[in-house]
Amino acid sequence: NAGVMQNPRHLVRRRGQEARLRCSPMKGHSHVYWYRQLPEEGLKFMVYLQKENIIDESGMPKERFSAEFPKEGPSILRIQQVVRGDSAAYFCASSPIGIGGGGTDTQYFGPGTRLTVL
Amino acid sequence: EDKVVQSPLSLVVHEGDTVTLNCSYEVTNFRSLLWYKQEKKAPTFLFMLTSSGIEKKSGRLSSILDKKELFSILNITATQTGDSAIYLCASPGATSGTYKYIFGTGTRLKVLA
Repeated sequence: NAGVMQNPRHLVRRRGQEARLRCSPMKGHSHVYWYRQLPEEGLKFMVYLQKENIIDESGMPKERFSAEFPKEGPSILRIQQVVRGDSAAYFCASSPIGIGGGGTDTQYFGPGTRLTVL
Repeated sequence: EDKVVQSPLSLVVHEGDTVTLNCSYEVTNFRSLLWYKQEKKAPTFLFMLTSSGIEKKSGRLSSILDKKELFSILNITATQTGDSAIYLCASPGATSGTYKYIFGTGTRLKVLA
């Protein structure tokens, strides 16, 4: 049973380029969460998605960042026109459907994508 | 604003020592508190606590929740170098319909041989 998969594991971009981060949830999980971890800081929530729906994007910067979780394929976190401050580790987590149709409290994390902006 | 605070920020011990990591929280409509271990890659799930006073145990690790005083502790006995990691505490946010975690900054544990 494969865990949460993220690719690429490392991504280097120059300022102004676009970064696309992919996340495939665990088999049977339909809820995906993205978190960002800056150096020496804890993980910060960015966005919570179900298939084809953004449920909560309260942690996502209003500009340049977007996320999707299409009916088929992985979830994508897209950062346009990257800046040096976007350098961080981006973690994806997934959970199965819980009672009431929402997620469950236990989330399973992928290995992360380390984005470096030159 | 909901928050989770961990202490200490870092800790250095020798193999065989026992350590206690602390996590306090202020979360509206609290549901659960979770502990994760983060080495160089993915945070791995350790425990989920929902009820006060009931100890969860896994090998040399154990954890307990106090909902009256709003904190949890993670104990590691007979520490080994493989326990060196960042230990993260998290609680789901209070907003109905969302399950975003609020994380503490973590406790960085280093176990010396």
